[in-house]
Amino acid sequence: GQNIDQPTEMTATEGAIVQINCTYQTSGFNGLFWYQQHAGEAPTFLSYNVLDGLEEKGRFSSFLSRSKGYSYLLLKELQMKDSASYLCAVRDSNYQLIWGAGTKLIIKP
Amino acid sequence: GAVVSQHPSRVICKSGTSVKIECRSLDFQATTMFWYRQFPKKSLMLMATSNEGSKATYEQGVEKDKFLINHASLTLSTLTVTSAHPEDSSFYICSARDAGRDTGELFFGEGSRLTVL
Repeated sequence: GQNIDQPTEMTATEGAIVQINCTYQTSGFNGLFWYQQHAGEAPTFLSYNVLDGLEEKGRFSSFLSRSKGYSYLLLKELQMKDSASYLCAVRDSNYQLIWGAGTKLIIKP
Repeated sequence: GAVVSQHPSRVICKSGTSVKIECRSLDFQATTMFWYRQFPKKSLMLMATSNEGSKATYEQGVEKDKFLINHASLTLSTLTVTSAHPEDSSFYICSARDAGRDTGELFFGEGSRLTVL
């Protein structure tokens, strides 16, 4: 079956760095997405990786290793507003998005 | 960027009534829209894929007669929850794919929180 694994919850300190991991087993691979979702709101797009390596976008970076079925989202200079759930999603060979359950990130002062 | 608008954002209804939720792509054409349901602390569950001008494709376990989807134009898809019951209370989210973008990135509506009394 298809599976996306990411930690349920993480806690970090304001100003610090946090890495959220995502591992996947899917039937085919056509890209990996990271979304941010604040409570009660719809997800917003953060990043897209289809080739191996690191994609940097401001305070957020996303890494992909297709051979390992692994990705991480790196958040730097954490701010209180970064408290949210972070969803990892993989597009499979049928171009369907398979979603992880999300990682709830708690930022403490 | 591409904007998807969902309406209403919150709706409370009585058991047995029907509720319609609209999903509009405001500045792009969306031949395909997706409807999701999300329970508290759970991931998004794809309910159906809505294709303009044709019948929606429902995921296994989703009742077609319960959740009616209509994709009448390239910018509008609607989800109607028929004869709603308290167990239908949930957060419903739509998304649309801008065919003109290479990444196939999905753009999400704001979500609609349905509470059935």
